Amino acid sequence: DAGVIQSPRHEVTEMGQEVTLRCKPISGHDYLFWYRQTMMRGLELLIYFNNNVPIDDSGMPEDRFSAKMPNASFSTLKIQPSEPRDSAVYFCASSFPGTADADTQYFGPGTRLTVL
Amino acid sequence: AQSVTQLGSHVSVSEGALVLLRCNYSSSVPPYLFWYVQYPNQGLQLLLKYTSAATLVKGINGFEAEFKKSETSFHLTKPSAHMSDAAEYFCAVSKASGTYKYIFGTGTRLKVLA
Repeated sequence: DAGVIQSPRHEVTEMGQEVTLRCKPISGHDYLFWYRQTMMRGLELLIYFNNNVPIDDSGMPEDRFSAKMPNASFSTLKIQPSEPRDSAVYFCASSFPGTADADTQYFGPGTRLTVL
Repeated sequence: AQSVTQLGSHVSVSEGALVLLRCNYSSSVPPYLFWYVQYPNQGLQLLLKYTSAATLVKGINGFEAEFKKSETSFHLTKPSAHMSDAAEYFCAVSKASGTYKYIFGTGTRLKVLA
């Protein structure tokens, strides 16, 4: 399996622009997680989905952030409008709790976002 | 509520020396515990996990961790450090059932000295 795939790997944009980050989970995994990593705040869970349905979005920082999962193989995290404080590495992870590998999350390589 | 505390944001060891990275947790239910490693500019990779089976868990790259309920600890060890072990290490806790959210510790950056 190719693992969790994220695109783009790097994104540089200007304040006020819309940014869309993409994630393809491991095939067959029915949980998908979006995290943000910064030096100041460490790893933060933003939102997670089960069977394409958002379960907990309490970590989404504000209304500028939105996430969707239109199907089992694709999710997006959108920031509109972007601000310099959104600069971070954004990770996507997936898991399949219905197996002996329950609870193990598999992480993608991340998207490094820089907002100027 | 669950929480994870990693003591020491930076740890330095000499090559060949024992590696000990500390993790303490709090949980009102039997926890699942994880150690992940993050190499520079990469995602997180699972090292090992405890899911209520054997209390001594062996993982990849020669690492192991022991679940000690009485001490609420899950420290990560490796008998002999290698230069390639230099990375950031994260401890995480999740509930045994009902939710699959992780609570991550703040991470420990391991430096290996030649």
